[in-house]
Amino acid sequence: GQNIDQPTEMTATEGAIVQINCTYQTSGFNGLFWYQQHAGEAPTFLSYNVLDGLEEKGRFSSFLSRSKGYSYLLLKELQMKDSASYLCAVGEGYQKVTFGIGTKLQVIP
Amino acid sequence: GAVVSQHPSRVICKSGTSVKIECRSLDFQATTMFWYRQFPKQSLMLMATSNEGSKATYEQGVEKDKFLINHASLTLSTLTVTSAHPEDSSFYICSALYREKNTEAFFGQGTRLTVV
Repeated sequence: GQNIDQPTEMTATEGAIVQINCTYQTSGFNGLFWYQQHAGEAPTFLSYNVLDGLEEKGRFSSFLSRSKGYSYLLLKELQMKDSASYLCAVGEGYQKVTFGIGTKLQVIP
Repeated sequence: GAVVSQHPSRVICKSGTSVKIECRSLDFQATTMFWYRQFPKQSLMLMATSNEGSKATYEQGVEKDKFLINHASLTLSTLTVTSAHPEDSSFYICSALYREKNTEAFFGQGTRLTVV
């Protein structure tokens, strides 16, 4: 089984930087995903990390430390449209993915 | 990115009836599709994994006779909620693994099921 922890809510200011942390415990780790989900909509893929380190993709970056069971999603130059839930999801074994409860991010002017 | 189409987006049905939800990969072949359920303010919960041409694998606690999954082709999987009850009201989402890019799962738009 898996244990995935992330903060339930965060607030940040437009134009700022925010870091959303995720810790996990799993056997058979097979990658860590971040998804963005707007209310009432399906999640959209943001990133996938399977090796330690930082992956940068535009305003979004994701970091992974397998030894620490830790990941974070970094959002730069925040925009109002970034207000959404951000789901940390852990791959286990072959194809199985388990989602955290999500962090609801509110971006304020 | 690849497109997954899920239909219908919203459905209201009477208690005791059955509802079928379709999940199609429009521009790629999906050997594996996943069905999730999401209750308000909760995480996505994996219900079952559907592989083309074989029986679905259900997660613990999910009744396979109640949630019928059929993955008849590489582009279509269906979830049928049989004898629906109000407690089955939820947001159901499918996702499909892009065959050549197994690290990324593409999600359908989701189906909001309300059982009255």
